[in-house]
Amino acid sequence: NAGVMQNPRHLVRRRGQEARLRCSPMKGHSHVYWYRQLPEEGLKFMVYLQKENIIDESGMPKERFSAEFPKEGPSILRIQQVVRGDSAAYFCASSPPSTRSSYEQYFGPGTRLTVT
Amino acid sequence: AQKITQTQPGMFVQEKEAVTLDCTYDTSDQSYGLFWYKQPSSGEMIFLIYQGSYDEQNATEGRYSLNFQKARKSANLVISASQLGDSAMYFCAMREGPGSGGSNYKLTFGKGTLLTVNP
Repeated sequence: NAGVMQNPRHLVRRRGQEARLRCSPMKGHSHVYWYRQLPEEGLKFMVYLQKENIIDESGMPKERFSAEFPKEGPSILRIQQVVRGDSAAYFCASSPPSTRSSYEQYFGPGTRLTVT
Repeated sequence: AQKITQTQPGMFVQEKEAVTLDCTYDTSDQSYGLFWYKQPSSGEMIFLIYQGSYDEQNATEGRYSLNFQKARKSANLVISASQLGDSAMYFCAMREGPGSGGSNYKLTFGKGTLLTVNP
């Protein structure tokens, strides 16, 4: 049973380019969360998605950032016109559609984005 | 105000000794969950232990135990018999609400404690 998969693990982009980060949730999981970890900080919530729906994007910067979770395929976090301040580790987590109240989010290995 | 406070940026412990990592939290919810994650230098987030606000007993998972003091709003992680492989960043996190959907899903993380285990 594969865990949450993220790719690429490392991504280097020049300022102004676009970054696309992919997340495949665990099998049977229909909820996806994206978190960002700036250097020497804890993780901060960005967005929560279910299949074809954005449930909560209150943690997403208003500009340049978008996320989707299509009916087929992985969830995508897209950052347009990247700037140096976007350099961070981006973690994806997934959870099942049940109402478990315990450790319901399983994290992927993260994508480390470096903007040069 | 910070919701999760980890006051120890770094901690050192001798191999085979026990160590306590501090975490205090702030919430007005009656139902919430507290988590500890380990992040080794390789970067992945490893779930260690969970404590629900209504759990009467402190959670334990192997060498990890959570010292839950609800009145003081603290959820300290105790690692017994430290091993060299325990050297890592440790994050305390909280989910407010019962976790059954709606808005009760966000995890709020502290800034972490870097634990170094000395041989």
